[in-house]
Amino acid sequence: EAQVTQNPRYLITVTGKKLTVTCSQNMNHEYMSWYRQDPGLGLRQIYYSMNVEVTDKGDVPEGYKVSRKEKRNFPLILESPSPNQTSLYFCASREQVGDEQFFGPGTRLTVL
Amino acid sequence: SQQGEEDPQALSIQEGENATMNCSYKTSINNLQWYRQNSGRGLVHLILIRSNEREKHSGRLRVTLDTSKKSSSLLITASRAADTASYFCATDGSSNTGKLIFGQGTTLQVKP
Repeated sequence: EAQVTQNPRYLITVTGKKLTVTCSQNMNHEYMSWYRQDPGLGLRQIYYSMNVEVTDKGDVPEGYKVSRKEKRNFPLILESPSPNQTSLYFCASREQVGDEQFFGPGTRLTVL
Repeated sequence: SQQGEEDPQALSIQEGENATMNCSYKTSINNLQWYRQNSGRGLVHLILIRSNEREKHSGRLRVTLDTSKKSSSLLITASRAADTASYFCATDGSSNTGKLIFGQGTTLQVKP
């Protein structure tokens, strides 16, 4: 089944404790991205990747890092999480720019 | 910034009725996409309409696009209780970054 998977689905952590949210797609898509969803602010793009080893900042990249060492994986790294990063995070992929985007199930992160 | 603005913010109808949601945007686009999100879950792609298309159908869904007015509408015909969800429009701009800009969404409740 074609899908985007994320892990973990739920995470409660404390300020400053490094964490990684994994994202994997099995559709051989070149383009992947991360969004966060917050009440009243909607979905905002954090980072995106056009292809392996090619990443760039979205609208809200501060406090996040990403890597794209393999085509299928695009982890989101929070080196030192803070409470304002409490949010619902979505990974997404698409075959190329201009195509429909497939979203993962979401990761609900709470930073205490 | 959020380019897409959905209207209305909330809509409550009876099963069997039609539901119409509108989306307005500000800048030029390559395409516009509609997504559905069940409470707290991932986004499901519904339909993509390209900038050179005026209308598109998929099952009970009908999407129109008016690029001169920078607006789109999503019509769900013969609604069902299972259509209860939030609906988002997302614009795919011409910047080639692949970023989707989401509106705030319309929350649709379909009463049985």
